[in-house]
Formats: sequence, C-alpha cells, structure tokens
Amino acid sequence: GAVVSQHPSWVICKSGTSVKIECRSLDFQATTMFWYRQFPKQSLMLMATSNEGSKATYEQGVEKDKFLINHASLTLSTLTVTSAHPEDSSFYICSAHGRTSGNNEQFFGPGTRLTVL
Amino acid sequence: TQLLEQSPQFLSIQEGENLTVYCNSSSVFSSLQWYRQEPGEGPVLLVTVVTGGEVKKLKRLTFQFGDARKDSSLHITAAQPGDTGLYLCAGQGAQKLVFGQGTRLTINP
Repeated sequence: GAVVSQHPSWVICKSGTSVKIECRSLDFQATTMFWYRQFPKQSLMLMATSNEGSKATYEQGVEKDKFLINHASLTLSTLTVTSAHPEDSSFYICSAHGRTSGNNEQFFGPGTRLTVL
Repeated sequence: TQLLEQSPQFLSIQEGENLTVYCNSSSVFSSLQWYRQEPGEGPVLLVTVVTGGEVKKLKRLTFQFGDARKDSSLHITAAQPGDTGLYLCAGQGAQKLVFGQGTRLTINP
C-alpha cells in the first residue's frame, strides 16, 4: 500500500515552454501533497504544500506564479512549471500524506527529471 | 526555523565495516523518519521513530531516537555494497518535514 506515482518520469523541453507534472496516490486518499525539488548531490527542498480543494502554501522564495500547483482531487496533484528556463532544470519529487498515514508519514513518488534546453 | 544537521555528508568505507550516521537539531520533533534514496528515484521510507529513546532495528540497520527527541542516529553493521545510497533524516515539524542535508554512503567491495 501507500504507492505514489509521478508522470512523466523525465521530460526535456525548450526554454519558454510550460511543463506539467502529475502526482497520484494510487491506493489511498491524499489529504495533503507536497512538492520538492532536488539538485544534484543535495537534499530535498520543499517548494509547496497543497491540500485538496484549497490553494497551495508556498515556501519562502518559491514563485507561485511560476510553479502552479493544483490539487483538484484526493488522488491527484499537478505541478506546472510555467515559462521554464534552464535554471529550472532539476529533479522534482512529490509526496503524499493520507488520512490513515500513521505518524504523519509521507510517501514519495519516484520523481520527475526536468531538463530545460 | 527548525534545522536538522546530518553528518557526515559523505562516507566511503569498505565492505564489512560498521558506520554511524548522525542527525542533530536544537528543535524537538514529534517524530523522525529515515529515508534511503537511489539515484534517479524518490526517497523510500526506512523507519519512523516516535518515542524518546526508542530503538528500532531493520536487519543490519539500527535506528535510535534521542531521549529529548532532538537527535537520531543510524548505525549499519557489516556494511554491504547494496547499502550504497543517499540516506536522509527528516523531522516532523508542525506542518511539514524538515530534511537533513543527507549522507551519501558508498560501500566498496
């Protein structure tokens, strides 16, 4: 149980285009989903927290108009990187927390590698 | 701001040796989690510790939560090449997980 999927697993796009990344909880209802980015050889950095049916809460320094987050259902959250630039290239990881998650455990997706040319 | 200091950040040892990774903070956490991450993949939860002084074992891995719930350690006995990876500790804050910097562990055959 507690499986989280991400799609796509990798994407290459041209500078200036927008990219949407999906995060799905496959076997549980995710009341809260989190989006992280990870640069090579570094730890995870939380970008934003999204609760189903409400606006996402962004961490300091994260542009909400650039990284659009939608959490329209209890099993799906999307992150859209708008007008992507090479500096947005990174590994994006989502995690989900459900109603039945013990000890506030988060379950992570496999990540999406974004490369902006 | 809650911070977790993880050490060492890099560790390369020979197969069969023992090692300990530390995770320290000045803040109290309601729980602390340890993850292992392979390149190009998401973190996989190894264990959650909740009670101060708690010790949990997972085969050759031993996890301990400090009495004051501010620190934790991961001890690996007789390390094997398959233990190679990035190990992350994460403390449960009020609304989110606070991650340490990670320990990149390499076990050489």
